[in-house]
Amino acid sequence: DAGVIQSPRHEVTEMGQEVTLRCKPISGHDYLFWYRQTMMRGLELLIYFNNNVPIDDSGMPEDRFSAKMPNASFSTLKIQPSEPRDSAVYFCASSPNQGSSGANVLTFGAGSRLTVL
Amino acid sequence: AQTVTQSQPEMSVQEAETVTLSCTYDTSESDYYLFWYKQPPSRQMILVIRQEAYKQQNATENRFSVNFQKAAKSFSLKISDSQLGDAAMYFCAYSNFGNEKLTFGTGTRLTIIP
Repeated sequence: DAGVIQSPRHEVTEMGQEVTLRCKPISGHDYLFWYRQTMMRGLELLIYFNNNVPIDDSGMPEDRFSAKMPNASFSTLKIQPSEPRDSAVYFCASSPNQGSSGANVLTFGAGSRLTVL
Repeated sequence: AQTVTQSQPEMSVQEAETVTLSCTYDTSESDYYLFWYKQPPSRQMILVIRQEAYKQQNATENRFSVNFQKAAKSFSLKISDSQLGDAAMYFCAYSNFGNEKLTFGTGTRLTIIP
């Protein structure tokens, strides 16, 4: 398996623009997570899905952020409009179901570094 | 809510020596998982080791081992025979049994001195 695939690796945009980050989880994993990493706040969970259904979105900062998982192999995190304070590394991760030996073990993608000017 | 505390922002160790990274956590649960993740300069998050709270035996993975003290809510990582490739940020993390999301500590930056 190729692991968790994220795109783009780097994104530079101007304030007010829409940003879409993409993620392909590991095939067969039931859980998908979006984390944000900044120097000030560390690693924060934004939202996670189980079988394509959002379970906990309490970490989503505000209405400018939205996440979707239309099917088991694809998820997006959208920021509209973007602001300079959204600059961060955004990680996608996936994990298998609770009954598997790898339960609760998150495999992370390489991250998307977002810079909003 | 569960919290994870890493009190050492930075640590350094001589190559081939042993170093221990500290982590404490707060929870009212009895069943849970604890993890150490490594983040090298490439920024890829890599699982180092996992501990299940109901297991008394400390987890080990080659040169990496943990000292899990459930009553004290302490979960330290020992790296033996440190190598240059061990240089990275190390994050301690917690998750409840039956709840997949991880809560991370603030990390410890480990430097290896040649």
